[in-house]
Amino acid sequence: NAGVMQNPRHLVRRRGQEARLRCSPMKGHSHVYWYRQLPEEGLKFMVYLQKENIIDESGMPKERFSAEFPKEGPSILRIQQVVRGDSAAYFCASSPPSAFHTFGSGTRLTVV
Amino acid sequence: KNEVEQSPQNLTAQEGEFITINCSYSVGISALHWLQQHPGGGIVSLFMLSSGKKKHGRLIATINIQEKHSSLHITASHPRDSAVYICAVRLAETSGSRLTFGEGTQLTVNP
Repeated sequence: NAGVMQNPRHLVRRRGQEARLRCSPMKGHSHVYWYRQLPEEGLKFMVYLQKENIIDESGMPKERFSAEFPKEGPSILRIQQVVRGDSAAYFCASSPPSAFHTFGSGTRLTVV
Repeated sequence: KNEVEQSPQNLTAQEGEFITINCSYSVGISALHWLQQHPGGGIVSLFMLSSGKKKHGRLIATINIQEKHSSLHITASHPRDSAVYICAVRLAETSGSRLTFGEGTQLTVNP
């Protein structure tokens, strides 16, 4: 019973490129959350999804960021035209409706 | 002011000491989580509490809903306990189970 799988673990992008971060939730978990941890800062909520639906995206930057959780396949966090300020650790968590989060190992994005 | 405040920010202890990390919150919650984050590593959920007390090995978590306060205790601390400990709450009025986090407590246990 694999945990929450995130890939890649490390991602380097040049300014202006696109970054795609993937998250496969634990088996049986229908809720996916994306959180961002900027350097030297705490974790901040970005978006909450269920299959094929965005439930709460109040933490997402208004531009360049999007997320999806398709019927088949992993959840994707997509960042277009990356800037240096996007460099951070991005964590995905999944949960059943009871709300106990299981976290992935994170994707560390570095924009050069 | 953050909705979730942790103290202390940094804590250094000698191996074997009893450790307490505190968390206060200012909003209504439906659950409180304690998380552990190792350097360069992922995040592990330690506890989820909505009342009372929970124990797992050398870790004990308590919550007082009336006082809006939770504590994480580590008994007989060990250098491998060195990590950042994060308090997170599920706000009562939000949809789903999204978490709001404290800034974390950096714990260093010296041998």
